[in-house]
Amino acid sequence: AQTVTQSQPEMSVQEAETVTLSCTYDTSENNYYLFWYKQPPSRQMILVIRQEAYKQQNATENRFSVNFQKAAKSFSLKISDSQLGDTAMYFCAFIFHNAGNMLTFGGGTRLMVKP
Amino acid sequence: GAGVSQSPSNKVTEKGKDVELRCDPISGHTALYWYRQSLGQGLEFLIYFQGNSAPDKSGLPSDRFSAERTGGSVSTLTIQRTQQEDSAVYLCASSLDSSSTDTQYFGPGTRLTVL
Repeated sequence: AQTVTQSQPEMSVQEAETVTLSCTYDTSENNYYLFWYKQPPSRQMILVIRQEAYKQQNATENRFSVNFQKAAKSFSLKISDSQLGDTAMYFCAFIFHNAGNMLTFGGGTRLMVKP
Repeated sequence: GAGVSQSPSNKVTEKGKDVELRCDPISGHTALYWYRQSLGQGLEFLIYFQGNSAPDKSGLPSDRFSAERTGGSVSTLTIQRTQQEDSAVYLCASSLDSSSTDTQYFGPGTRLTVL
């Protein structure tokens, strides 16, 4: 069975600084897809960034970038120039080919951006 | 365009009653997913629909849970004889099709409270 672990239940960062959220996983699959989702207090889950496991280049999306280390089974999210609107729960999630097309989520990290 | 919508936003019910939760996917999306978000279990997959194919029900926790999707669009999740452990936020997502490369877009969820 595949597992996804986010070891930081809560984190805080000062506005304009950089923060990194960790995610590790366990799978015997070689091909899978990785995602970071953000869930603000409004409850709506919003895609932040995605990465295909077969791509070596790390994905970036404006202030958000990932550090994907396939051999170490690590997929961290870096948020640069943090903004107050980044305050939210962040979930890493995967689609593993042998488990269908549903998302498997980590437990989440609550990020607070302080002014 | 319009995103995924869900109704009701909040539902309070008494133990033993049946409830129906509704999801309206993004127009043109053929794949539809239901997830449950609870304090104890985190985010769990429940069921997904792809076009006219038989749904993948592998995540449904008991036979009290069922879902249907009429006309390939709107979906209803039904929980019969609700129990207190059913209290959770129920999230619906849709994607263009069920390819694992497609991003899943989430609705705002229905918060179910069973008294």
